[in-house]
Amino acid sequence: QQQVKQSPQSLIVQKGGISIINCAYENTAFDYFPWYQQFPGKGPALLIAIRPDVSEKKEGRFTISFNKSAKQFSLHIMDSQPGDSATYFCAATGSGNTGKLIFGQGTTLQVKP
Amino acid sequence: DTAVSQTPKYLVTQMGNDKSIKCEQNLGHDTMYWYKQDSKKFLKIMFSYNNKELIINETVPNRFSPKSPDKAHLNLHINSLELGDSAVYFCASSAVGGGLKETQYFGPGTRLLVL
Repeated sequence: QQQVKQSPQSLIVQKGGISIINCAYENTAFDYFPWYQQFPGKGPALLIAIRPDVSEKKEGRFTISFNKSAKQFSLHIMDSQPGDSATYFCAATGSGNTGKLIFGQGTTLQVKP
Repeated sequence: DTAVSQTPKYLVTQMGNDKSIKCEQNLGHDTMYWYKQDSKKFLKIMFSYNNKELIINETVPNRFSPKSPDKAHLNLHINSLELGDSAVYFCASSAVGGGLKETQYFGPGTRLLVL
């Protein structure tokens, strides 16, 4: 119940294309869903986050779509750029979790020029 | 100025040794964390301290012992290192713990290799 399942494990997209990464969770007590971006040799950094009271959140080229009934959420990267090549992690946490983030398995994105 | 810093960046050591990793944050945050990232890049929380008090203690071998001398520092001491301890260890901090969801800021990681 504490798991967050992420797919695909790896993704190759052409420059200008749309990258889509999907996550699913089971614990209905989760109420905060951040996405973290990690470049090689660096620590993860918050990219964008959503709470389940909205179905979509957009920040620049990055959009989270959230489906509460299906317990799924996804990250869309529009107009993907080579600089977006990184590993992306979805995560979830809930009240009473003391800030504990449950991470998905990660998706390695490569954007080809 | 680095927000969350860790030392050392790389650590190569022999099985059976004891080693420590240090973490410092200058963000004024109350909560600090230790995460382990394995060779498949899977990130898993190990410990969390809120204002020097241990609030998360995952199922981690008791060879791992965190210590928080003050709320800006969180160290990780590992006794009797094993091959399976080889991983990247990340320190992170956030403004508030205790169930509130604030951004966690990660350090650059310490790459531990046990030979």
